[in-house]
Amino acid sequence: GVTQSPTHLIKTRGQQVTLRCSSQSGHNTVSWYQQALGQGPQFIFQYYRKEENGRGNFPPRFSGLQFPNDSSELNVNALELDDSALYLCASSLWGFYGYTFGSGTRLTVV
Amino acid sequence: DQQVKQNSPSLSVQEGRISILNCDYTNSMFDYFLWYKKYPAEGPTFLISISSIKDKNEDGRFTVFLNKSAKHLSLHIVPSQPGDSAVYFCAASRMNRDDKIIFGKGTRLHILP
Repeated sequence: GVTQSPTHLIKTRGQQVTLRCSSQSGHNTVSWYQQALGQGPQFIFQYYRKEENGRGNFPPRFSGLQFPNDSSELNVNALELDDSALYLCASSLWGFYGYTFGSGTRLTVV
Repeated sequence: DQQVKQNSPSLSVQEGRISILNCDYTNSMFDYFLWYKKYPAEGPTFLISISSIKDKNEDGRFTVFLNKSAKHLSLHIVPSQPGDSAVYFCAASRMNRDDKIIFGKGTRLHILP
């Protein structure tokens, strides 16, 4: 399946954070979502072949990387209190809608 | 602007009865719809989907109905079981794969013994 690390994280406002995701074997596309409390997952961006392939309504301080083994990172700079949320990674095979989600990273910004 | 709306934050249903979860969407360009189920401390898991060329799709106890003219879809679970207690997300997208999947806010389903 999809594994995300760490599971929980506490950061101070203004700091930077890196979240990691290992895709399901055979998948080549990674999508990142932010789920705030009481909300549905909000699309941040998607990576395919190491290129950003679509982005939601998130500022440039949210950035990502996809590595040759199709694992991925989500980086957030200049953390704000509103960045506190569950961050979900989903992997899939390009051309199919079989998204497999990880369990998420719970980020708390204080 | 909420393009996918789930207006019922929660729903309680007796075990063995039918659970009906509703979803409305505003973007007429959506042509593929999905339902995900989420347990606490786990990521969402895919449940069932439907393409806009169909009005019904069935998989075991789960059936999704699509009414394109009303921009409405619903998920029916028959019969409801205790393990169905979870948060259900309705989601929508366009099949060209350049677009993201848009999720609703979710409906928490409680199956009562």
